Amino acid sequence: DIQMTQSPSSVSASVGDRVTITCRASQGISYWLAWYQQKPGKAPKLLVHAASSLQSGVPSRFSGSGSGTNFTLTISSLQPEDFATYYCQQAHSFPFTFGPGTKVDIK
Amino acid sequence: ELQLVESGGGLVPPGGSLRLSCAASAFTVSGSYVNWVRQAPGQGLEWVSIIYTGGDTYYADSVRGRFTISRHNSENTVYLQMNSLRPEDTAVYYCTRYRDAYNSDGFDIWGQGTVVIVSS
Repeated sequence: DIQMTQSPSSVSASVGDRVTITCRASQGISYWLAWYQQKPGKAPKLLVHAASSLQSGVPSRFSGSGSGTNFTLTISSLQPEDFATYYCQQAHSFPFTFGPGTKVDIK
Repeated sequence: ELQLVESGGGLVPPGGSLRLSCAASAFTVSGSYVNWVRQAPGQGLEWVSIIYTGGDTYYADSVRGRFTISRHNSENTVYLQMNSLRPEDTAVYYCTRYRDAYNSDGFDIWGQGTVVIVSS
């Protein structure tokens, strides 16, 4: 199975800050990576697919990059509605696996 | 509106069975790749199973042999039959659409989730 790791596990940031989350796969997954945002009590929401393609309707302050084993999700200017937990997920091979999540909270 | 609605969750004793339903609106499950993803209390997301448009199915190791995903095209619904349930199966179960499994399109539509509690 492909293991996904994320760092940091949590980050405290202020509105307007630039936040970068890293995701690493235990083996190469090309561009088969997606990023999701989840708020408490809600279903996850797709932000980025194919490692760097922004899902329709997602604000342009979100961006994804990377390929192979190393990926990043960047929020260029954190907004109040962005405080949430973020997960990466690989769909390169079964079983699909998610990272453990990164919680972004208010400093 | 593109939508998935889950139902069928509840409290079941260890060893029991439950069938979850996932009804789609504004798109067809027969033309989609539909997954089940679960989230144990306070934990992260765990992929459970997928059914392809052609009917192929895949499972996480933790549920293979106990869970079965299926599809009823005329009802536009995907099911997850869960047998031999264990306390560690306790979770919110989400159904979600994988827009194109042959491109890295991500899971773009999610239901609201249904809660399964396995306890005596």
